[in-house]
Amino acid sequence: DSGVTQTPKHLITATGQRVTLRCSPRSGDLSVYWYQQSLDQGLQFLIQYYNGEERAKGNILERFSAQQFPDLHSELNLSSLELGDSALYFCASSVRDRGLQETQYFGPGTRLLVL
Amino acid sequence: AQKVTQAQTEISVVEKEDVTLDCVYETRDTTYYLFWYKQPPSGELVFLIRRNSFDEQNEISGRYSWNFQKSTSSFNFTITASQVVDSAVYFCALSEPDSNTGNQFYFGTGTSLTVIP
Repeated sequence: DSGVTQTPKHLITATGQRVTLRCSPRSGDLSVYWYQQSLDQGLQFLIQYYNGEERAKGNILERFSAQQFPDLHSELNLSSLELGDSALYFCASSVRDRGLQETQYFGPGTRLLVL
Repeated sequence: AQKVTQAQTEISVVEKEDVTLDCVYETRDTTYYLFWYKQPPSGELVFLIRRNSFDEQNEISGRYSWNFQKSTSSFNFTITASQVVDSAVYFCALSEPDSNTGNQFYFGTGTSLTVIP
């Protein structure tokens, strides 16, 4: 158990709908990353937050948005869903040790199926 | 062009053999990070290592070792005395700074390793 939780584990929805994926990082981890893994696109980085602020943005579509709340949990909002958004969405949190070595801890993922 | 190339799509080895997974990256930045991740058949992602571009020392962690060579833009991963539990898809990734969007991450397409008992 990595200590990172993601809900829901599975989500089935229809095209055009909107869903929210939730991630709770490990206690004390300030960074949260979101990734998408699909058969077509492989693994892709979506976005990173650090202590509530957006730190880096990857291949995140305009239909998608994310935020990190004061309690450090994060939500990824996917709207106007298309069939191609069907994927496994991972979140990870990270911590840096005193030597500035960063370790990432991944949640179990949310499997989204858009019908 | 691919920023991260994992040319080996699938590898099979017999248990106890050593195996090296290749990773070649492309970047113009002098500051960047390289990663390896493991994804076992159960589907979760496991972080294995992050290496910064200024640290070319080889890293060893148990049966795992990593060889970082800037001269060939490679960050290869070796598993010594492979075990069945090492069967997984392994991803190499590159993170480099982007002035507009912060650090960008690029993943290779993965190498599927099967360790045969």
